[in-house]
Parts: sequence; structure tokens; C-alpha cells
Amino acid sequence: AQSVTQLGSHVSVSEGALVLLRCNYSSSVPPYLFWYVQYPNQGLQLLLKYTSAATLVKGINGFEAEFKKSETSFHLTKPSAHMSDAAEYFCAVSDRSNDYKLSFGAGTTVTVRA
Amino acid sequence: EAQVTQNPRYLITVTGKKLTVTCSQNMNHEYMSWYRQDPGLGLRQIYYSMNVEVTDKGDVPEGYKVSRKEKRNFPLILESPSPNQTSLYFCASSYAPQGNYGYTFGSGTRLTVV
Repeated sequence: AQSVTQLGSHVSVSEGALVLLRCNYSSSVPPYLFWYVQYPNQGLQLLLKYTSAATLVKGINGFEAEFKKSETSFHLTKPSAHMSDAAEYFCAVSDRSNDYKLSFGAGTTVTVRA
Repeated sequence: EAQVTQNPRYLITVTGKKLTVTCSQNMNHEYMSWYRQDPGLGLRQIYYSMNVEVTDKGDVPEGYKVSRKEKRNFPLILESPSPNQTSLYFCASSYAPQGNYGYTFGSGTRLTVV
């Protein structure tokens, strides 16, 4: 069975600073990996996904993530934070061993300081 | 517009009073799923459906029922709600195999059981 660990439940960054959200996964077979964003009072929106093509994945709103198999990681980054990036971010993994069920991490809330 | 529609958005009910949360998608997706979101726990899968008349338990199915009589609809039924089912619920859908595509989420239903 697969699982996801997000390091840090809260991250605070200054506007213009680097955003780095950490995600480590476990999976017995090649995984699919996702980052979702949840703005206040909204559903989850797909930011980006890794599905065994390029290891560096670019998503919406300037975010990108790198799949590192040796480290079992899929960290999310954005070079320069904007106030509109304040939200909760979820890392998720799925694989064929469990009907491709999407398993989520506990989430990381990002606060952006002016 | 391609979307997953959940109703109601907010619901307050009393212990033991049966309720149904509806979910409908207009993307002809085969896969549908229900999640509950609780602080610090991320999203946990309640039930999922691979296609019409095919449903299966997720990680936290106790106290819930689902049905999939039509491809577009996947209602969540709480036969006898209890306070520990107070949560934020999300319906999601995807093409199959959903691992390649990620999910489209509804806007959520905030349920309070008193």
C-alpha cells in the first residue's frame, strides 16, 4: 500500500521568497504523484502531476516539482511567492497495487507575509 | 463547463436523521470517489466506484453507504449520522485508469451533526 508524508503542517514565507513544500512517499510499485491546492472554502485543484515521463514537472501558477526516486520524494517549489499562493497544499500518490486509489498527505498550509 | 457538483454545500443535522449528499459529474468519468477531510488528517477515502453498479470500500467506510446506478451520479448516504461524522466531504471523479489523470473535485459539503 502506498502512503504520503508531508513535512511541516505550516509554512510561512515572505512575498517574493522561495516556496518549498516537502513530500515523501512510499510505494511498492512505480507511483503516480500529484500536488493539489485548496484555497479557502473551495475544493481541491490539481497543480501538477508526475506520471513516469519527465522527472521535473511544471504546473500551474509557476509551481514545479521534481520526482527523485532515490529519495522517494516529490517536493514542490515556486521561486517567488505571491500573496495569492496562500492556501493548503496536498501531496498525493496512487499506484496500480491498490486500484490507483489516491492517498493524500496531511496537508501543508502556506502563509505569505507581505 | 466540466465539473463535479455536490449538494448541499452546508448541512446541519441531528444525530440519527438519515441524509444524502448528492454528487454529479458531467465529464463521462468512469471513476468516482468520496473523501472526508479532517484537520491534520488530510483526505481519507470513504467509498469509490470504478463504474456503474461497481462500488468498493475505501479507508473509512463505516457509517456510510453509496450507490452508482448511473454513470454521472454517486450519492453518499448516512443512514444514522453521528457527531463523529461531522466533517468536510468531497466528491471526486476521473477517467480510468485514474492514476494517469488525477481527479476533479467538487466544491465540498460541510456537514455538522449535533
